[in-house]
Amino acid sequence: NAGVTQTPKFRILKIGQSMTLQCAQDMNHNYMYWYRQDPGMGLKLIYYSVGAGITDKGEVPNGYNVSRSTTEDFPLRLELAAPSQTSVYFCASSYSGTSGLGSTGELFFGEGSRLTVL
Amino acid sequence: AQTVTQSQPEMSVQEAETVTLSCTYDTSESDYYLFWYKQPPSRQMILVIRQEAYKQQNATENRFSVNFQKAAKSFSLKISDSQLGDAAMYFCAYTAAGNKLTFGGGTRVLVKP
Repeated sequence: NAGVTQTPKFRILKIGQSMTLQCAQDMNHNYMYWYRQDPGMGLKLIYYSVGAGITDKGEVPNGYNVSRSTTEDFPLRLELAAPSQTSVYFCASSYSGTSGLGSTGELFFGEGSRLTVL
Repeated sequence: AQTVTQSQPEMSVQEAETVTLSCTYDTSESDYYLFWYKQPPSRQMILVIRQEAYKQQNATENRFSVNFQKAAKSFSLKISDSQLGDAAMYFCAYTAAGNKLTFGGGTRVLVKP
């Protein structure tokens, strides 16, 4: 059972370059998320999706784009990379609960992608 | 906006002893979830324990237990009989909408043999 798979694990970009971080989950979860974690800090939500075709901004969406064409995949696009985007990026997924709150909030995380922009 | 505060950047504990991590949160909601996540040096976050706000009973998972004080908006994590494998960053997290988690800044736990 693969869970949440992120690629690549490491990447170095030059300022102004673009790239896509891939995320796939095989648990049929309808909720998916992208977080970034700066050194010594907690996680900040970039974008999230409550189902295929639906995405919404989180706390720090500027400089990023996402799409959700299938339940399984939730790629994160970085356009015009900047040094401020140097971070570790985590993709996560979760499933619906029964309490009416939507997602249970129990996130299943990928292993992270370390991105450096020079 | 909801905020989650972890006031202890780092805690040190002797192996087999007990350590308590603090977490406070700010919300106007009455129904929500609280979580503690562990991030070992391998970086992958894993869920340690979950508490539903409508449940008065404190959650327990083996050596991990919480002290949930809803009126005080406090949610501390107690690690009993600490083991070397407990060394990690611990993050407190909150969600009311269910769609988004808000994380605290983390507490690093060091376990001394």
